[in-house]
Amino acid sequence: TQLLEQSPQFLSIQEGENLTVYCNSSSVFSSLQWYRQEPGEGPVLLVTVVTGGEVKKLKRLTFQFGDARKDSSLHITAAQPGDTGLYLCAGVETTDSWGKLQFGAGTQVVVTP
Amino acid sequence: DSGVTQTPKHLITATGQRVTLRCSPRSGDLSVYWYQQSLDQGLQFLIQYYNGEERAKGNILERFSAQQFPDLHSELNLSSLELGDSALYFCASSAEGGGTGGYNEQFFGPGTRLTVL
Repeated sequence: TQLLEQSPQFLSIQEGENLTVYCNSSSVFSSLQWYRQEPGEGPVLLVTVVTGGEVKKLKRLTFQFGDARKDSSLHITAAQPGDTGLYLCAGVETTDSWGKLQFGAGTQVVVTP
Repeated sequence: DSGVTQTPKHLITATGQRVTLRCSPRSGDLSVYWYQQSLDQGLQFLIQYYNGEERAKGNILERFSAQQFPDLHSELNLSSLELGDSALYFCASSAEGGGTGGYNEQFFGPGTRLTVL
């Protein structure tokens, strides 16, 4: 069982549509990060959220950290083919003194022209 | 470009063999992490080193070992290789060593694709 559960596992949409990816847990996190990974390459850090209720925007991407710091969402507006990739959430539990980063299994997003 | 380098990019070897993967962290980063990614297991944390010392261990097999050298580069040694060890191996680095209150933002290298035949 993954500490961080991502949903959906797979998402296929047309260019121009909106999408939301969810990252949920029963644990509380001191910080939560989102990464995007393209085939055969390493994950690339997109954003870090640290405050409950925090919302961060990165161009057409909006990231939200839940008030209780147990969940997060990634919303993409007007998706483009370049948004295709595996989206991974990762967090540091508040109870982890070493600050080990826990990864979700990822959401595969495919945006077709 | 994350600033993390990994060599080699691809590695093909036979069962029972031993290989060494190399990683150089971003300039100034003290922590190095190793991950294994396979199709059915996702991204699995193996081990972390901070400034030359082992800091945290994940699901690392006894056949695998790692070390971090004084110049902060790290090597992951995989021995007695099995078919199931075929995977992408990623190295990541961060400025922090862990501890509560840190963000532990990690920057990943391009990976080494290991194929065991």
